[in-house]
Amino acid sequence: DTEVTQTPKHLVMGMTNKKSLKCEQHMGHRAMYWYKQKAKKPPELMFVYSYEKLSINESVPSRFSPECPNSSLLNLHLHALQPEDSALYLCASSPRRQGVGYGYTFGSGTRLTVV
Amino acid sequence: QQQVKQSPQSLIVQKGGISIINCAYENTAFDYFPWYQQFPGKGPALLIAIRPDVSEKKEGRFTISFNKSAKQFSLHIMDSQPGDSATYFCAASWEQAGTALIFGKGTTLSVSS
Repeated sequence: DTEVTQTPKHLVMGMTNKKSLKCEQHMGHRAMYWYKQKAKKPPELMFVYSYEKLSINESVPSRFSPECPNSSLLNLHLHALQPEDSALYLCASSPRRQGVGYGYTFGSGTRLTVV
Repeated sequence: QQQVKQSPQSLIVQKGGISIINCAYENTAFDYFPWYQQFPGKGPALLIAIRPDVSEKKEGRFTISFNKSAKQFSLHIMDSQPGDSATYFCAASWEQAGTALIFGKGTTLSVSS
C-alpha cells in the first residue's frame, strides 16, 4: 500500500462546529505532516509529527489541533474556524524524519469550506 | 534565505514541445530538490528529485538539470503532452537539519493540442 488516505474528501462546516480530518498511511512512514493549500498557491506547512511526537508547529492558530494516535494515523481537529480557513488540507508522510531523500507522499486532501 | 523562487508562473506549450520550469534558491545547505506535479483536486505527487552532487537526472520524459554554483535547478519536460497539463512545484529541504520541504510558488503548465 503506497497511499495516504484522507477522509472526508469534502467538508462544509459552520464557524461554531467541531469537526475532524483523518489521515491514514500503511507504508511504515514515521514522519507525518499537515499542510494547508489555498487555490493557486503552494502547500503551507502546518504541523510535523516525527515518531508520533509533534516536532513542528508553524505558529498555527489553536483552533487547529493535531493528534497522532499511532504511527499510521493523523488527525486534525477543527473548532471555531473562520471563513478564511477554507482551503485544501493535505496530509503527507515520509519514511524517516522529514524528507530524507525519499520525498513526501501526499494524500488527495480534504476540501474544507467554512460558512 | 529559506525561499525557493520559481518561474514562470504560467506556461503554454504546444504538444510535442519542451516545457522548461526554473527554480532558484539561496540556502547553500539545501541538499534535496524534488519536483511535484499536482492536478486539480488532487494532492501533489512526487515527479523526480535530485541531490546537489549530480548535475542531471532523467526519468522518462522528465529531466532535472542542477547548477550548484548558480544555485539553480530546472525541470525539462520533453515531448510535452496534454496530459502533462498541471501545476508543478519545485521544492528544497536540508536533510541533515531535518527541515521540512520548502515549496516554490508553482507553475501552471498548459499543453495545447
